[in-house]
Amino acid sequence: QKEVEQDPGPLSVPEGAIVSLNCTYSNSAFQYFMWYRQYSRKGPELLMYTYSSGNKEDGRFTAQVDKSSKYISLFIRDSQPSDSATYLCAMSPYSSASKIIFGSGTRLSIRP
Amino acid sequence: GAVVSQHPSWVICKSGTSVKIECRSLDFQATTMFWYRQFPKQSLMLMATSNEGSKATYEQGVEKDKFLINHASLTLSTLTVTSAHPEDSSFYICSANPPGSFQAFFGQGTRLTVV
Repeated sequence: QKEVEQDPGPLSVPEGAIVSLNCTYSNSAFQYFMWYRQYSRKGPELLMYTYSSGNKEDGRFTAQVDKSSKYISLFIRDSQPSDSATYLCAMSPYSSASKIIFGSGTRLSIRP
Repeated sequence: GAVVSQHPSWVICKSGTSVKIECRSLDFQATTMFWYRQFPKQSLMLMATSNEGSKATYEQGVEKDKFLINHASLTLSTLTVTSAHPEDSSFYICSANPPGSFQAFFGQGTRLTVV
């Protein structure tokens, strides 16, 4: 079993829809949770990060962490074609530089 | 946010030659940097952890003698793919964390094509 599971998609939704991206994990030691966005042939860019359980909102993006279920989510409201990219969840048990475990990434396409 | 710069962004080389990729943290010092490899439509696979002033730590299955890592300063790590073969063609990405931060910032990636 992989430490982090993420549906690779592809996921295609119409512009303006609410998008839900999810990951599950098995290591209860993970405390730091991140979402990265990666455009084709580019390095990943950090989108959001959260510590422990709870919600965090930033503009059209909301990250949720449920440690009891070992389940994290990223919601995108009012999705735009420019949101089309691969979204990777990532997590780490440590607060400083360390290995980050990535999900496989979900390819998202927003149809105009 | 912090800036990590990677160079070159793409390179084409002949089989049997060596290629060096540089990763620089531009606005912070990084005692540790990470090197990843990514195949098309797949996720990032950690290859090795680069440690300033000491030997790199390689993940299982990664050939140390083939992928040479040097972290000579607090802002620069290099990955040298030695005796490159077509199967080494891939997207190589580095990352680094600002001091005390769990947030990794990535370079732009280097697309290596071995012909």
